[in-house]
Amino acid sequence: SQQGEEDPQALSIQEGENATMNCSYKTSINNLQWYRQNSGRGLVHLILIRSNEREKHSGRLRVTLDTSKKSSSLLITASRAADTASYFCSWGTQGGSEKLVFGKGTKLTVNP
Amino acid sequence: DAGITQSPRHKVTETGTPVTLRCHQTENHRYMYWYRQDPGHGLRLIHYSYGVKDTDKGEVSDGYSVSRSKTEDFLLTLESATSSQTSVYFCAISRQGNEQYFGPGTRLTVT
Repeated sequence: SQQGEEDPQALSIQEGENATMNCSYKTSINNLQWYRQNSGRGLVHLILIRSNEREKHSGRLRVTLDTSKKSSSLLITASRAADTASYFCSWGTQGGSEKLVFGKGTKLTVNP
Repeated sequence: DAGITQSPRHKVTETGTPVTLRCHQTENHRYMYWYRQDPGHGLRLIHYSYGVKDTDKGEVSDGYSVSRSKTEDFLLTLESATSSQTSVYFCAISRQGNEQYFGPGTRLTVT
């Protein structure tokens, strides 16, 4: 299987705290992406970081990528109850970036 | 939401019956994908298409076939449904093969 690992599988925090989720993958990649899934809904694209980038920001989201360790992290700052969702990392492999492999996800609960 | 619809949204069927799920897009995107999502496995690619009549297998393609006769429609067929195919099925589209946009999902139960 090409699937990597996401850590932790579940995370529960209080509103206002930061949430950090980690992702490890197994292959060489073109890019890594993060998606959010609210309960019962489809996935929504959050952010894409290319293999030659180390850090990227979008609003309250900060993504880092370490290709030497084949790992990425997603930081959500000043979390809100509306951030409660599952978060998935995914990656496009070199020579085949049109196909994505998804991690198993981190279930984030933000308590008001 | 991107212009993606899936039909039906819910289906219950019996083992051994054929089932076809439809994905329809209004975005004219080149790439279309079918995934299944199961607890403990995350999202797994079944088949994808990179153009009309151009399809390829994903990680879990056994027991599934697809067809794409028009840019806007991508059909997933279970020739003879089994209980192991009980799952939530998502369609996704992509323009450049990077960011994917997902449909609302189809919950399929095979009894």
